[in-house]
Amino acid sequence: AQSVTQLDSHVSVSEGTPVLLRCNYSSSYSPSLFWYVQHPNKGLQLLLKYTSAATLVKGINGFEAEFKKSETSFHLTKPSAHMSDAAEYFCVVSARGTYKYIFGTGTRLKVLA
Amino acid sequence: DAGVIQSPRHEVTEMGQEVTLRCKPISGHDYLFWYRQTMMRGLELLIYFNNNVPIDDSGMPEDRFSAKMPNASFSTLKIQPSEPRDSAVYFCASSLFTGLTEAFFGQGTRLTVV
Repeated sequence: AQSVTQLDSHVSVSEGTPVLLRCNYSSSYSPSLFWYVQHPNKGLQLLLKYTSAATLVKGINGFEAEFKKSETSFHLTKPSAHMSDAAEYFCVVSARGTYKYIFGTGTRLKVLA
Repeated sequence: DAGVIQSPRHEVTEMGQEVTLRCKPISGHDYLFWYRQTMMRGLELLIYFNNNVPIDDSGMPEDRFSAKMPNASFSTLKIQPSEPRDSAVYFCASSLFTGLTEAFFGQGTRLTVV
């Protein structure tokens, strides 16, 4: 069975400081992992994905995530937050060959001026 | 491609009325998914289709909910009769292959049942 836990429901950072959004997963099989972002009243947009290639994955808007199998983690980072990064972020796990995306509960990122 | 297109963007209806949500997936995508997002339950998969065929509808909450995909470019999610607890944002998504490739989401339909 697959599951995903986002460790923080809310994160606040100051503009220009680093962002860390934490995600732990559980999967019986080699997982595919994704981060999606949802801006207010918008759909979900893919930030990045891990599908067993490089463990450090670079995404859009300066975000990246590192797959750490030993820690079963897939944390999302960005060196310097921008006001436009304020949104809700979802970590998603999908077992290979299955249809199901398992969504985390989301982390709401607030960026302070 | 314009992406996944959902209509309407907002729907307000009275309890007991029939509601139909529409989705046009990205051309060439084999899979189509319907999700529901609420504060209490987050994002839930309701049903998904592969090549227009419903594969798993175990997430559909009740018989009041039904979904169809008459062709590769159109799907509907119908609620009849609607209830206030159906109020949520409904997302449609499509993808090429599940698990390995990402799903592309529409903008969602915000349904309010009063």
